[in-house]
Amino acid sequence: GAGVSQSPRYKVAKRGQDVALRCDPISGHVSLFWYQQALGQGPEFLTYFQNEAQLDKSGLPSDRFFAERPEGSVSTLKIQRTQQEDSAVYLCASSLVLAKTQETQYFGPGTRLLVL
Amino acid sequence: TQLLEQSPQFLSIQEGENLTVYCNSSSVFSSLQWYRQEPGEGPVLLVTVVTGGEVKKLKRLTFQFGDARKDSSLHITAAQPGDTGLYLCAGAPRGTSYGKLTFGQGTILTVHP
Repeated sequence: GAGVSQSPRYKVAKRGQDVALRCDPISGHVSLFWYQQALGQGPEFLTYFQNEAQLDKSGLPSDRFFAERPEGSVSTLKIQRTQQEDSAVYLCASSLVLAKTQETQYFGPGTRLLVL
Repeated sequence: TQLLEQSPQFLSIQEGENLTVYCNSSSVFSSLQWYRQEPGEGPVLLVTVVTGGEVKKLKRLTFQFGDARKDSSLHITAAQPGDTGLYLCAGAPRGTSYGKLTFGQGTILTVHP
């Protein structure tokens, strides 16, 4: 497909389990972002990659959150020892060039995570 | 405290009515963007406003960027049920070196037939 894809679309985890969320950006897109969106709220920034380099991880809520993009394309967001407060939609976005403030970010459909 | 404050948070109107959504901040933005998000989908960019005082039109949607680049508005004329969704404003405060977006909390619009 031509857009950003994410998998799984839905994930139910028991508290304490580890989860891995995958993002396939648009082919050739240099910049990749992860956002967390609580129900009925706007997305909040988690982390930013430029190719394989993680340039900003200031939005990650705790050290239980880890993201990687080893080959500069697919990215994985991992959450260890999930807690109920981690329940949210996790959105991935990519943009074509080095991300500038006006550069269009294309969002995937998100992964809805529910921690019981 | 939200860097971008949107109002109203909820809007329920009848088909054919007009509406305005506001996005305000105490910070200056290089640009502001408006997105629309439908349930189960990611946000989709509607418009980017860059110049203070700029007005952009997209069919029945009119977007305005404040002169001081601290606020923006979205006006919809003759709303239709297909306009239903979550409307988000977003931007990167001036001085941000890359496209790290800050979003408002969103406006949930419901247009009844």
